Amino acid sequence: QQQVKQSPQSLIVQKGGISIINCAYENTAFDYFPWYQQFPGKGPALLIAIRPDVSEKKEGRFTISFNKSAKQFSLHIMDSQPGDSATYFCAAHETGNQFYFGTGTSLTVIP
Amino acid sequence: EAGVTQSPTHLIKTRGQQATLRCSPISGHTSVYWYQQALGLGLQFLLWYDEGEERNRGNFPPRFSGRQFPNYSSELNVNALELEDSALYLCASMKGIAYNEQFFGPGTRLTVL
Repeated sequence: QQQVKQSPQSLIVQKGGISIINCAYENTAFDYFPWYQQFPGKGPALLIAIRPDVSEKKEGRFTISFNKSAKQFSLHIMDSQPGDSATYFCAAHETGNQFYFGTGTSLTVIP
Repeated sequence: EAGVTQSPTHLIKTRGQQATLRCSPISGHTSVYWYQQALGLGLQFLLWYDEGEERNRGNFPPRFSGRQFPNYSSELNVNALELEDSALYLCASMKGIAYNEQFFGPGTRLTVL
């Protein structure tokens, strides 16, 4: 059973636009929800993360929105830039347990 | 502070051979995770070690094994290599089981011919 479902699989956005990637989870014991950015041939890099007691977290152009009742969280990239073109993974973690990753979203930002 | 390091960067083997991949976690980190990422696919959890013990393993056959050394570095061994084992193998480290921030290394690209 897929613990974390991520959509869309791919996304094309114009430069300056807003990119939105969504994730849903099942296990209410998860207490940490990170997003990772991965460029081709590189390891994923931790981008931003949120805990379930907060509904939103913003770091620069990146914002996580978290809806505990719906068991959903999303990544918003404001003013998307060509350099943001990468694969983004959401994940969910219960402290003391393993991480569960979404299937990834390939983002392309067109100049 | 040095990040997670992995060696080798690339590894080419033939079917049936064995591969050994190595990972050094961030200094002070006791947990090491291994993931397989086949081309264009997501991260598949392989193994998790903490304080020298195997904490959990993913849905992979027993020919995937590993260990963690007293200095918290780790080794992933893949026996009887198959063509579908070709993938990017990623190692990640975390301060310990009571923490959440996981940091990835650059990966080892394993190619099985």
